[in-house]
Amino acid sequence: KNQVEQSPQSLIILEGKNCTLQCNYTVSPFSNLRWYKQDTGRGPVSLTIMTFSENTKSNGRYTATLDADTKQSSLHITASQLSDSASYICVVLYSGGGADGLTFGKGTHLIIQP
Amino acid sequence: DGGITQSPKYLFRKEGQNVTLSCEQNLNHDAMYWYRQDPGQGLRLIYYSQIVNDFQKGDIAEGYSVSREKKESFPLTVTSAQKNPTAFYLCASRHETGYTGELFFGEGSRLTVL
Repeated sequence: KNQVEQSPQSLIILEGKNCTLQCNYTVSPFSNLRWYKQDTGRGPVSLTIMTFSENTKSNGRYTATLDADTKQSSLHITASQLSDSASYICVVLYSGGGADGLTFGKGTHLIIQP
Repeated sequence: DGGITQSPKYLFRKEGQNVTLSCEQNLNHDAMYWYRQDPGQGLRLIYYSQIVNDFQKGDIAEGYSVSREKKESFPLTVTSAQKNPTAFYLCASRHETGYTGELFFGEGSRLTVL
């Protein structure tokens, strides 16, 4: 069964600190992996996409990594800001899965404290 | 501006009533989706549609119905048969070329059963 597991479930850090969120998946065959940011009470927004051949990709203070061999991805946030407080959702698409081929993680709830 | 509009933002329903959530997109996307989000759980697929006048059940379609009469619109009806309808509902769309496209989400509709 295709699964996406995220850790930690929740995380509290001080403003200005760095943090890393983890995503492990068992989706096969793999097509791509996306990280979404969801502010409280709003819809998720895509931060970055990782394909099979990519190891690292940055989007401002967000850096995503992918290890296709171990089926792990991470999202590193540098110099956190209060606006980073949100849930971060890992979503994996399996190859050939079509329109319903997405598997969602439960998300990591991140709180940035001043 | 292009995007997805969901309405209403908040909705209260008495037990036994049907309610309809609206979802409109002007992104010219082929596929549209409805997801349900509960606290501590990942997004779960209710229904999706890849083309006008055609739609498929997702993982939790029981108690819900949809229509796709126009490319831009994909309303969701929560019927009285849905035993636990209190949740946050998210509509999304995606350009289906290659199935790798980003999901664009609306702002969500929060349904509460009184």
